[in-house]
Amino acid sequence: EPEVTQTPSHQVTQMGQEVILRCVPISNHLYFYWYRQILGQKVEFLVSFYNNEISEKSEIFDDQFSVERPDGSNFTLKIRSTKLEDSAMYFCATTWDRSSETQYFGPGTRLLVL
Amino acid sequence: DQQVKQNSPSLSVQEGRISILNCDYTNSMFDYFLWYKKYPAEGPTFLISISSIKDKNEDGRFTVFLNKSAKHLSLHIVPSQPGDSAVYFCAASRKGVTGGGNKLTFGTGTQLKVEL
Repeated sequence: EPEVTQTPSHQVTQMGQEVILRCVPISNHLYFYWYRQILGQKVEFLVSFYNNEISEKSEIFDDQFSVERPDGSNFTLKIRSTKLEDSAMYFCATTWDRSSETQYFGPGTRLLVL
Repeated sequence: DQQVKQNSPSLSVQEGRISILNCDYTNSMFDYFLWYKKYPAEGPTFLISISSIKDKNEDGRFTVFLNKSAKHLSLHIVPSQPGDSAVYFCAASRKGVTGGGNKLTFGTGTQLKVEL
């Protein structure tokens, strides 16, 4: 069964450093999302992406965050200058069609900012 | 932002019995609801969904009920199995006004433990 993959599974970084989280969507999927879950809290929407542009973003997704699909397959989330509060699990999700409400999630990247 | 609430952080059920997980929402614009199951260190796995035009959807051991007037949905698992032990998240979405996809708003999750 096709699945969403994410790399790395874990990342430890120093505050102020840049990190790039990578996602490989299911091959025929066109809509991409990033969510995050801070330990003990709910899963929160960050951003949605379609047709090489951001469709919607949350208040969390400030200027320190960016997304792109550099090579037509990977979908990346970049945090330019990490803060301690960016420590969380980051999940990529994808769906094939806007009318398909079901989003399929990757296994997540655990980011720890020291 | 408490648009989707799961008021029970945990639930313990005996194997073979029914598990009922509940979810409430406040935003009447939500028109699609989903249940996800999550194991530690893994991503949420889609279980079952329901559109706001229906009040019930069934898939094997899993049934989701939607009561729009009460803004309440529930997930029934019958019979419960030890492998069902996980965190269950309720999520909701609405048709976006933009051309892009529809974000999911999650509840805080309910830890289900199915005991032998």
